[in-house]
Amino acid sequence: SQTIHQWPATLVQPVGSPLSLECTVEGTSNPNLYWYRQAAGRGLQLLFYSVGIGQISSEVPQNLSASRPQDRQFILSSKKLLLSDSGFYLCAWKPRDKRGFNEKLFFGSGTQLSVL
Amino acid sequence: RKEVEQDPGPFNVPEGATVAFNCTYSNSASQSFFWYRQDCRKEPKLLMSVYSSGNEDGRFTAQLNRASQYISLLIRDSKLSDSATYLCVVTVSGGYNKLIFGAGTRLAVHP
Repeated sequence: SQTIHQWPATLVQPVGSPLSLECTVEGTSNPNLYWYRQAAGRGLQLLFYSVGIGQISSEVPQNLSASRPQDRQFILSSKKLLLSDSGFYLCAWKPRDKRGFNEKLFFGSGTQLSVL
Repeated sequence: RKEVEQDPGPFNVPEGATVAFNCTYSNSASQSFFWYRQDCRKEPKLLMSVYSSGNEDGRFTAQLNRASQYISLLIRDSKLSDSATYLCVVTVSGGYNKLIFGAGTRLAVHP
């Protein structure tokens, strides 16, 4: 069976510090991978998605970047965190479906990031 | 206008009540529709897909009206454990089939 691991669960970082959140998927290959952010009381905002190693697409301009160094590894980074980067970060994956619309997403357990 | 809009609630209902959530979407080219459930500070989990013919899973019934671009979720015989935020999700066709999440409707079931 497939599993997704995301860590850490909580993180408190000072403004201006770097960030690295890691996500790995097991039990599948060639997954589509996603990073979402959820601000308090808000919906999920898609930050990045990846359809393969080294292939990253960004949905919104921001202070963050993403990388996919291996097929089942997705990393969210920042060189200098801002207060506005605080939020609940979720990694997600879905099977690559050539038909196009088998869109069920499976989420990691999330990282609550507080930038102070 | 938001791509996916939901009444944020909260909906406060007693156990055993029937409650309905609505969701509207703006993109008429939307292809797939889902309801996800999210507990506080947890990841969203798929509750059910929504099909044009409507579908039911136990106490949960989902309906889709493509003409009105409207999705609904009905929960019958509410349980305390149903308390959560319910997210409406719509897939928009494109380079990779983008999922758009609503901000969610919060449900609180009380004894």
